[in-house]
Amino acid sequence: GAVVSQHPSWVICKSGTSVKIECRSLDFQATTMFWYRQFPKQSLMLMATSNEGSKATYEQGVEKDKFLINHASLTLSTLTVTSAHPEDSSFYICSAQGLDVVPGELFFGEGSRLTVL
Amino acid sequence: DAKTTQPTSMDCAEGRAANLPCNHSTISGNEYVYWYRQIHSQGPQYIIHGLKNNETNEMASLIITEDRKSSTLILPHATLRDTAVYYCIVRLPSNDMRFGAGTRLTVKP
Repeated sequence: GAVVSQHPSWVICKSGTSVKIECRSLDFQATTMFWYRQFPKQSLMLMATSNEGSKATYEQGVEKDKFLINHASLTLSTLTVTSAHPEDSSFYICSAQGLDVVPGELFFGEGSRLTVL
Repeated sequence: DAKTTQPTSMDCAEGRAANLPCNHSTISGNEYVYWYRQIHSQGPQYIIHGLKNNETNEMASLIITEDRKSSTLILPHATLRDTAVYYCIVRLPSNDMRFGAGTRLTVKP
């Protein structure tokens, strides 16, 4: 199956700093990418949907100025957590769907664990 | 997208078949049933999906009832590595994917 890679897989940062997480589709063109957040022992929560070349659509309750999403190319989307605080500590997961893959099938990255001290 | 209902948890003996049920009574005609699983601290892994007919691949079988209001994921010979949270999701292929609570399957030796 198609491969989606996230980087970094884990990151520790100080409160108040910004952290960028990358999501890459390695062998297909991702027209749409989705970002999820998962707290311990909970399910994945959709944060936002991004289409290549356009602004992301955020779910209700997700601050767009805090979680900056850029999807500038068909193989890369980035999530920047700005001015991170301990409550932003979570497991962030991206997924992608796109061209040359099974329609509607989503491919997930390995996830990025953020710890804010 | 239609809502799904799954048992919170299930146990299965190693080597036996694991049958995971999912109710989706409000499913619409064009919505597919997808199954993903998530092993601890990893991203979700695609298992199988279907519309009306039963489906089988190298990982599992998907049995969809004739009225499409429920389905069952079958892992034919469960191993310890199949211990994970299994998510049943009903959606149109063009829509985003939203996860419920899923079923925590524990395969025991």
